Amino acid sequence: DAKTTQPPSMDCAEGRAANLPCNHSTISGNEYVYWYRQIHSQGPQYIIHGLKNNETNEMASLIITEDRKSSTLILPHATLRDTAVYYCIVRVNNAGNMLTFGGGTRLMVKP
Amino acid sequence: DSGVTQTPKHLITATGQRVTLRCSPRSGDLSVYWYQQSLDQGLQFLIQYYNGEERAKGNILERFSAQQFPDLHSELNLSSLELGDSALYFCASSVATGTQYFGPGTRLLVL
Repeated sequence: DAKTTQPPSMDCAEGRAANLPCNHSTISGNEYVYWYRQIHSQGPQYIIHGLKNNETNEMASLIITEDRKSSTLILPHATLRDTAVYYCIVRVNNAGNMLTFGGGTRLMVKP
Repeated sequence: DSGVTQTPKHLITATGQRVTLRCSPRSGDLSVYWYQQSLDQGLQFLIQYYNGEERAKGNILERFSAQQFPDLHSELNLSSLELGDSALYFCASSVATGTQYFGPGTRLLVL
């Protein structure tokens, strides 16, 4: 799986949009971009994933650049409960493919 | 709630002992993955089972073993425990190739 690069930490004001970047310049054509988050020591929580097109769900939006070498996770109105470590992972969707977690971005949402 | 359950939530044991961690996947999911999260190593993939058969192995020690039963629940067996085995152990499940959903984890403390 392609390696990803994320900033180690970010701050965001409560109620504002949180934009979390991820670089994956060696991504292959069949690799998806996945985002998970881990709040304190809870189990990682799936947020969203995409291949080429931008995606949106009830939690977040995922913007993937046209060359697919980077992406941005957007939390439109961050709350204190969004404080967590956010992981960007690229992987091929096949039965034998595990998730490879890097260091992630520690997002601190402040009042 | 991801639909993945893990028991026990907490486990305290002594060095040299053996423990069994249990995971019940989401209804309909055939794949089960085990991950270990320690303070110094981050989240690391251990092993995957798909419909009862081992599908992929990661950084799993020989002292550790796992199996998936006909009802699709899985058990992770940790033996000859060492202090360094203290960690969070997460189970995840997926429908074959897709998104993995994580359980709440088992916190293991080896004294």
